[in-house]
Amino acid sequence: AQSVTQLDSQVPVFEEAPVELRCNYSSSVSVYLFWYVQYPNQGLQLLLKYLSGSTLVKGINGFEAEFNKSQTSFHLRKPSVHISDTAEYFCAVSDKTAGNKLTFGGGTRVLVKP
Amino acid sequence: DAGITQSPRHKVTETGTPVTLRCHQTENHRYMYWYRQDPGHGLRLIHYSYGVKDTDKGEVSDGYSVSRSKTEDFLLTLESATSSQTSVYFCAISESKGGPYLVDYTFGSGTRLTVV
Repeated sequence: AQSVTQLDSQVPVFEEAPVELRCNYSSSVSVYLFWYVQYPNQGLQLLLKYLSGSTLVKGINGFEAEFNKSQTSFHLRKPSVHISDTAEYFCAVSDKTAGNKLTFGGGTRVLVKP
Repeated sequence: DAGITQSPRHKVTETGTPVTLRCHQTENHRYMYWYRQDPGHGLRLIHYSYGVKDTDKGEVSDGYSVSRSKTEDFLLTLESATSSQTSVYFCAISESKGGPYLVDYTFGSGTRLTVV
């Protein structure tokens, strides 16, 4: 079985400051890794994903994440946030087995303050 | 992008009544999933399907059943709704891009279910 831990449930940050959202996972097999964003009262939107290759992944809206296999982490970063980045962010893993099931972390709520 | 719609978008029901939520896709994707979203828990898998009439349980399947009689429709049924099933329910589909293990997921807009 696999699990995902998002270490911060809430992250307040000032506008134009950097932000890092932490994600650790556990799995006995190799995985695919994803970050999704959910704006208030909306569905999930894919920010970025790691399938293989370069461990630094760039996504939409200026976000990037780094896969660290030895630390089983996939932290999300943005160098300068905007008010519009206020949302909930979810880390997820898929272990490539039959069913392609996604397992999600508990989410990190980012509040960008002016 | 694959088309996926959920219905209804909102529903209020009474404890003990049956409820069915529908997920419809306009593509021919093999995998379909039902998740529930609750504060602090992220999204948790209820059931999933890997083909017509082929379904399996997820981590929070108690109190739920599913059916998939056509490729495009995946139904989630609460046989006797309880207040603990008040939640936002998301359907998702997955497709392979360029190989069996290169998957993408598309999520529906969600169904907000309130059991009173």
